[in-house]
Amino acid sequence: EAQVTQNPRYLITVTGKKLTVTCSQNMNHEYMSWYRQDPGLGLRQIYYSMNVEVTDKGDVPEGYKVSRKEKRNFPLILESPSPNQTSLYFCASSFQGGLAGNNEQFFGPGTRLTVL
Amino acid sequence: RKEVEQDPGPFNVPEGATVAFNCTYSNSASQSFFWYRQDCRKEPKLLMSVYSSGNEDGRFTAQLNRASQYISLLIRDSKLSDSATYLCVVNQNAGNNRKLIWGLGTSLAVNP
Repeated sequence: EAQVTQNPRYLITVTGKKLTVTCSQNMNHEYMSWYRQDPGLGLRQIYYSMNVEVTDKGDVPEGYKVSRKEKRNFPLILESPSPNQTSLYFCASSFQGGLAGNNEQFFGPGTRLTVL
Repeated sequence: RKEVEQDPGPFNVPEGATVAFNCTYSNSASQSFFWYRQDCRKEPKLLMSVYSSGNEDGRFTAQLNRASQYISLLIRDSKLSDSATYLCVVNQNAGNNRKLIWGLGTSLAVNP
């Protein structure tokens, strides 16, 4: 089954304790992206990756890191989480081709993170 | 002004009703447009792309008006299962990034 998986689905942690949220897709997509979704603010892009070893900042990258060592995986790293990073996080992937960008984004099930 | 604006609703309609959502966007260089559906606490899923000539998929019709910079979604014969949040999404190519601008969503509740 074609899918994007994220782990963990739920996480409660404390300020400053490093954590990693994993994301994996099995559709051979070039493009992968991380979003956070907050009430009243909608979906905001944190980081994206055009392909292996190619990553760039989205709209709200502060406090986050990513890596893209393999095509299928795109982990999100919070080196020192803070309460303002409490949010619902989604990983997404799509094919990259085409300037028009008419490529469906496939989302993972989400990770609900609470930082105390 | 927000880049993509939607009426947040909620829209409460009875089963069988026809309901329409509008979405406006501010960047006239926007190139492609989508409607995604998001169920409560779940991930967004593509409902349909929006083409210049308008397009229909079963009970759903999407329209684009570039001159006025808005897109619309019409749902006919609403079902209980249509209850969800509908997200308007606009794609602006920004260099190498496919910059998707997401609206905050319109909430729909279809009642028996």
